[in-house]
Amino acid sequence: DGGITQSPKYLFRKEGQNVTLSCEQNLNHDAMYWYRQDPGQGLRLIYYSQIVNDFQKGDIAEGYSVSREKKESFPLTVTSAQKNPTAFYLCASRGGGDTQYFGPGTRLTVL
Amino acid sequence: QKEVEQNSGPLSVPEGAIASLNCTYSDRGSQSFFWYRQYSGKSPELIMFIYSNGDKEDGRFTAQLNKASQYVSLLIRDSQPSDSATYLCAVIDNAGNNRKLIWGLGTSLAVNP
Repeated sequence: DGGITQSPKYLFRKEGQNVTLSCEQNLNHDAMYWYRQDPGQGLRLIYYSQIVNDFQKGDIAEGYSVSREKKESFPLTVTSAQKNPTAFYLCASRGGGDTQYFGPGTRLTVL
Repeated sequence: QKEVEQNSGPLSVPEGAIASLNCTYSDRGSQSFFWYRQYSGKSPELIMFIYSNGDKEDGRFTAQLNKASQYVSLLIRDSQPSDSATYLCAVIDNAGNNRKLIWGLGTSLAVNP
Protein backbone atom coordinates (compact mmCIF):
# COMPACT_ATOMS: atom_id res chain seq x y z
CA ASP A 1 0.00 0.00 0.00
CA GLY A 2 1.45 3.33 -1.06
CA GLY A 3 0.92 6.28 1.18
CA ILE A 4 2.08 8.64 3.87
CA THR A 5 2.26 7.70 7.52
CA GLN A 6 2.59 10.01 10.48
CA SER A 7 3.29 9.08 14.06
CA PRO A 8 2.26 9.38 16.73
CA LYS A 9 -1.42 10.17 16.17
CA TYR A 10 -1.57 12.06 19.48
CA LEU A 11 1.34 13.67 21.30
CA PHE A 12 1.53 15.50 24.58
CA ARG A 13 4.37 17.86 25.36
CA LYS A 14 5.40 19.42 28.61
CA GLU A 15 6.59 23.00 28.74
CA GLY A 16 10.23 23.31 27.67
CA GLN A 17 10.34 19.94 25.93
CA ASN A 18 11.38 19.25 22.35
CA VAL A 19 9.29 16.67 20.51
CA THR A 20 9.73 15.07 17.10
CA LEU A 21 6.91 14.17 14.74
CA SER A 22 7.53 11.42 12.23
CA CYS A 23 6.51 11.49 8.56
CA GLU A 24 7.28 8.64 6.16
CA GLN A 25 6.17 8.13 2.56
CA ASN A 26 6.59 5.24 0.12
CA LEU A 27 5.25 7.10 -2.91
CA ASN A 28 8.74 7.87 -4.24
CA HIS A 29 7.94 11.59 -4.15
CA ASP A 30 10.81 14.07 -4.07
CA ALA A 31 9.02 16.96 -2.35
CA MET A 32 7.56 16.89 1.14
CA TYR A 33 5.81 19.51 3.28
CA TRP A 34 4.87 20.22 6.88
CA TYR A 35 1.75 22.22 7.71
CA ARG A 36 0.14 23.38 10.89
CA GLN A 37 -3.64 23.75 11.24
CA ASP A 38 -5.32 25.54 14.13
CA PRO A 39 -9.07 25.37 14.80
CA GLY A 40 -11.01 27.42 12.30
CA GLN A 41 -7.85 28.34 10.41
CA GLY A 42 -6.31 27.31 7.16
CA LEU A 43 -3.15 25.34 6.51
CA ARG A 44 0.05 27.21 7.29
CA LEU A 45 3.34 26.01 5.82
CA ILE A 46 6.12 25.34 8.32
CA TYR A 47 8.91 23.80 6.22
CA TYR A 48 9.24 22.10 2.87
CA SER A 49 11.82 20.01 1.10
CA GLN A 50 12.03 19.60 -2.65
CA ILE A 51 14.84 17.05 -2.59
CA VAL A 52 16.93 15.00 -0.18
CA ASN A 53 19.39 17.00 1.94
CA ASP A 54 17.66 20.28 1.13
CA PHE A 55 14.80 22.13 2.83
CA GLN A 56 13.39 25.66 3.05
CA LYS A 57 11.49 27.65 5.63
CA GLY A 58 7.81 28.19 5.10
CA ASP A 59 5.68 30.96 6.49
CA ILE A 60 5.89 29.98 10.18
CA ALA A 61 9.25 28.20 10.67
CA GLU A 62 10.23 29.84 13.96
CA GLY A 63 10.41 27.29 16.77
CA TYR A 64 10.55 24.32 14.39
CA SER A 65 13.34 22.32 12.75
CA VAL A 66 13.45 19.58 10.12
CA SER A 67 15.86 17.21 8.43
CA ARG A 68 15.71 15.36 5.14
CA GLU A 69 18.38 12.67 5.16
CA LYS A 70 16.32 10.11 3.27
CA LYS A 71 13.81 10.53 0.46
CA GLU A 72 11.18 8.64 2.42
CA SER A 73 11.44 10.57 5.68
CA PHE A 74 10.87 14.18 6.73
CA PRO A 75 10.70 14.48 10.54
CA LEU A 76 9.63 17.71 12.23
CA THR A 77 10.95 18.78 15.63
CA VAL A 78 8.88 21.18 17.67
CA THR A 79 11.34 22.94 19.93
CA SER A 80 10.81 24.68 23.25
CA ALA A 81 11.16 27.97 21.36
CA GLN A 82 7.73 27.40 19.80
CA LYS A 83 5.51 29.22 22.28
CA ASN A 84 2.14 27.97 21.14
CA PRO A 85 2.63 24.50 19.66
CA THR A 86 -0.82 23.04 20.33
CA ALA A 87 -2.19 22.28 16.86
CA PHE A 88 -2.89 19.63 14.24
CA TYR A 89 0.28 18.89 12.24
CA LEU A 90 0.00 17.60 8.70
CA CYS A 91 2.70 16.15 6.48
CA ALA A 92 2.27 15.99 2.72
CA SER A 93 4.22 14.88 -0.31
CA ARG A 94 3.95 16.19 -3.84
CA GLY A 95 3.16 13.95 -6.76
CA GLY A 96 2.58 14.56 -10.44
CA GLY A 97 0.85 17.77 -11.48
CA ASP A 98 1.84 19.45 -8.21
CA THR A 99 -0.82 17.48 -6.35
CA GLN A 100 -0.15 17.15 -2.64
CA TYR A 101 -1.16 14.06 -0.69
CA PHE A 102 -1.53 14.15 3.07
CA GLY A 103 -0.77 11.83 5.93
CA PRO A 104 -3.35 11.31 8.69
CA GLY A 105 -1.86 14.02 10.92
CA THR A 106 -0.50 14.33 14.46
CA ARG A 107 -2.41 16.21 17.10
CA LEU A 108 0.00 17.89 19.53
CA THR A 109 -1.14 19.19 22.89
CA VAL A 110 0.96 21.13 25.39
CA LEU A 111 0.28 20.15 28.98
CA GLN B 1 0.47 38.97 -0.50
CA LYS B 2 -1.08 36.27 -2.64
CA GLU B 3 -4.48 35.19 -1.41
CA VAL B 4 -7.12 32.55 -1.93
CA GLU B 5 -10.54 33.49 -0.64
CA GLN B 6 -13.49 31.28 0.19
CA ASN B 7 -16.80 31.93 1.89
CA SER B 8 -16.44 30.29 5.31
CA GLY B 9 -20.09 29.23 5.40
CA PRO B 10 -21.65 27.18 6.70
CA LEU B 11 -23.34 26.37 3.44
CA SER B 12 -26.42 24.30 4.11
CA VAL B 13 -28.17 22.31 1.37
CA PRO B 14 -30.83 19.60 1.45
CA GLU B 15 -29.95 16.05 0.48
CA GLY B 16 -30.12 15.58 -3.28
CA ALA B 17 -29.51 19.25 -4.10
CA ILE B 18 -26.53 20.80 -5.87
CA ALA B 19 -23.93 22.37 -3.60
CA SER B 20 -21.88 25.19 -5.13
CA LEU B 21 -18.58 26.15 -3.53
CA ASN B 22 -16.64 29.17 -4.73
CA CYS B 23 -13.05 30.33 -4.57
CA THR B 24 -11.26 33.44 -5.86
CA TYR B 25 -7.51 33.93 -6.10
CA SER B 26 -5.28 36.97 -6.44
CA ASP B 27 -2.34 35.66 -8.49
CA ARG B 28 -3.30 36.09 -12.14
CA GLY B 29 -0.40 33.85 -13.19
CA SER B 30 -1.62 30.78 -11.27
CA GLN B 31 -1.90 27.69 -13.45
CA SER B 32 -3.00 24.85 -11.17
CA PHE B 33 -6.02 24.66 -8.91
CA PHE B 34 -7.07 22.05 -6.38
CA TRP B 35 -10.11 21.13 -4.30
CA TYR B 36 -9.67 19.11 -1.10
CA ARG B 37 -12.25 17.77 1.31
CA GLN B 38 -11.52 17.68 5.03
CA TYR B 39 -13.73 15.85 7.49
CA SER B 40 -13.66 17.07 11.09
CA GLY B 41 -10.52 15.81 12.82
CA LYS B 42 -9.10 14.26 9.67
CA SER B 43 -6.51 15.27 7.09
CA PRO B 44 -7.41 16.84 3.71
CA GLU B 45 -8.05 14.50 0.81
CA LEU B 46 -7.86 15.50 -2.84
CA ILE B 47 -11.15 15.69 -4.72
CA MET B 48 -10.13 17.29 -8.00
CA PHE B 49 -7.54 19.38 -9.75
CA ILE B 50 -8.07 21.60 -12.78
CA TYR B 51 -5.57 23.39 -15.02
CA SER B 52 -7.58 24.63 -18.01
CA ASN B 53 -10.45 27.04 -18.35
CA GLY B 54 -13.83 25.40 -18.44
CA ASP B 55 -15.39 22.45 -16.67
CA LYS B 56 -13.93 19.18 -15.45
CA GLU B 57 -16.27 16.45 -14.27
CA ASP B 58 -15.55 13.45 -12.03
CA GLY B 59 -18.59 11.55 -10.87
CA ARG B 60 -20.82 13.86 -8.85
CA PHE B 61 -18.14 16.57 -8.75
CA THR B 62 -17.54 19.30 -11.33
CA ALA B 63 -14.75 21.83 -11.09
CA GLN B 64 -15.13 25.06 -13.04
CA LEU B 65 -12.25 27.42 -13.81
CA ASN B 66 -12.39 30.96 -15.18
CA LYS B 67 -8.89 32.41 -15.28
CA ALA B 68 -10.03 35.78 -16.64
CA SER B 69 -12.22 36.27 -13.58
CA GLN B 70 -9.72 34.48 -11.28
CA TYR B 71 -12.45 32.21 -10.07
CA VAL B 72 -12.68 28.47 -9.48
CA SER B 73 -15.73 26.62 -8.23
CA LEU B 74 -16.75 23.13 -7.18
CA LEU B 75 -20.23 21.77 -7.81
CA ILE B 76 -21.45 18.69 -5.97
CA ARG B 77 -24.51 17.11 -7.57
CA ASP B 78 -26.98 14.93 -5.67
CA SER B 79 -25.45 16.02 -2.37
CA GLN B 80 -25.33 13.37 0.34
CA PRO B 81 -25.01 13.73 4.13
CA SER B 82 -21.58 12.09 3.75
CA ASP B 83 -20.50 15.16 1.75
CA SER B 84 -20.77 17.26 4.92
CA ALA B 85 -17.22 18.50 5.45
CA THR B 86 -14.97 21.51 4.96
CA TYR B 87 -13.84 22.06 1.38
CA LEU B 88 -10.44 23.65 0.85
CA CYS B 89 -9.40 25.46 -2.31
CA ALA B 90 -5.67 25.64 -3.12
CA VAL B 91 -3.74 27.39 -5.87
CA ILE B 92 -0.14 26.93 -7.02
CA ASP B 93 2.21 29.79 -6.08
CA ASN B 94 4.07 30.63 -9.26
CA ALA B 95 6.86 32.56 -7.52
CA GLY B 96 10.24 30.96 -8.17
CA ASN B 97 10.25 27.21 -8.53
CA ASN B 98 8.98 26.25 -5.08
CA ARG B 99 5.62 24.80 -6.26
CA LYS B 100 3.99 25.69 -2.95
CA LEU B 101 0.23 25.74 -2.57
CA ILE B 102 -1.64 28.81 -1.33
CA TRP B 103 -4.63 27.68 0.70
CA GLY B 104 -8.04 29.17 1.32
CA LEU B 105 -9.56 28.91 4.78
CA GLY B 106 -12.23 26.51 3.57
CA THR B 107 -16.02 26.43 3.24
CA SER B 108 -18.02 24.32 5.65
CA LEU B 109 -20.78 22.34 3.92
CA ALA B 110 -23.71 20.74 5.73
CA VAL B 111 -26.00 18.42 3.76
CA ASN B 112 -29.26 17.93 5.60
CA PRO B 113 -31.18 14.61 5.27
